[in-house]
Amino acid sequence: KQEVTQIPAALSVPEGENLVLNCSFTDSAIYNLQWFRQDPGKGLTSLLLIQSSQREQTSGRLNASLDKSSGRSTLYIAASQPGDSATYLCAVMPLSNDYKLSFGAGTTVTVRA
Amino acid sequence: DAGVIQSPRHEVTEMGQEVTLRCKPISGHNSLFWYRQTMMRGLELLIYFNNNVPIDDSGMPEDRFSAKMPNASFSTLKIQPSEPRDSAVYFCASRGQGGSYEQYFGPGTRLTVT
Repeated sequence: KQEVTQIPAALSVPEGENLVLNCSFTDSAIYNLQWFRQDPGKGLTSLLLIQSSQREQTSGRLNASLDKSSGRSTLYIAASQPGDSATYLCAVMPLSNDYKLSFGAGTTVTVRA
Repeated sequence: DAGVIQSPRHEVTEMGQEVTLRCKPISGHNSLFWYRQTMMRGLELLIYFNNNVPIDDSGMPEDRFSAKMPNASFSTLKIQPSEPRDSAVYFCASRGQGGSYEQYFGPGTRLTVT
């Protein structure tokens, strides 16, 4: 059974600092990995999706890397802003099926002004 | 595009009552998912539809839960009778055919059963 772990569970940084969020998974037989953002009381917003054949994806200040063999992904957020405060979740899709995402518990980020 | 639409956004009901949650997927998407999120268990897949057909309902916790997708633009999740332990946020998500398999989530329905 795929286990997805996100450490730390919470993170507080001053505005302007770069954020590094970690995601690890136990089964490397994945189709893709997706990073989501969740604001309090809101749904999940997809940030980046990395296919298993890719090493990284970038969107604006966000960069996500994937090391499938070691079961790790990292989400980098450059020059953090108070508006980046949210919970960030990673989810992996297994090769064995094309729909059942396994989610991590998330990292709750607070960016202090 | 309006994104995935869910209603109601909040539901408060008494134990034993029937609850119906509604979802309208993104137009053109052929896959629909119902998830439940709790502090204790995180996000769990309840049921997955493809082309309006239930493919995997192994996550549906009990017979009290049922889901339908009568057409490509509408799905319901029903709980009858509801219990306090059903209190959670229920999300609907959809995705299109092929490509990246990226899922798009709705805003969720926060259910409180007293």
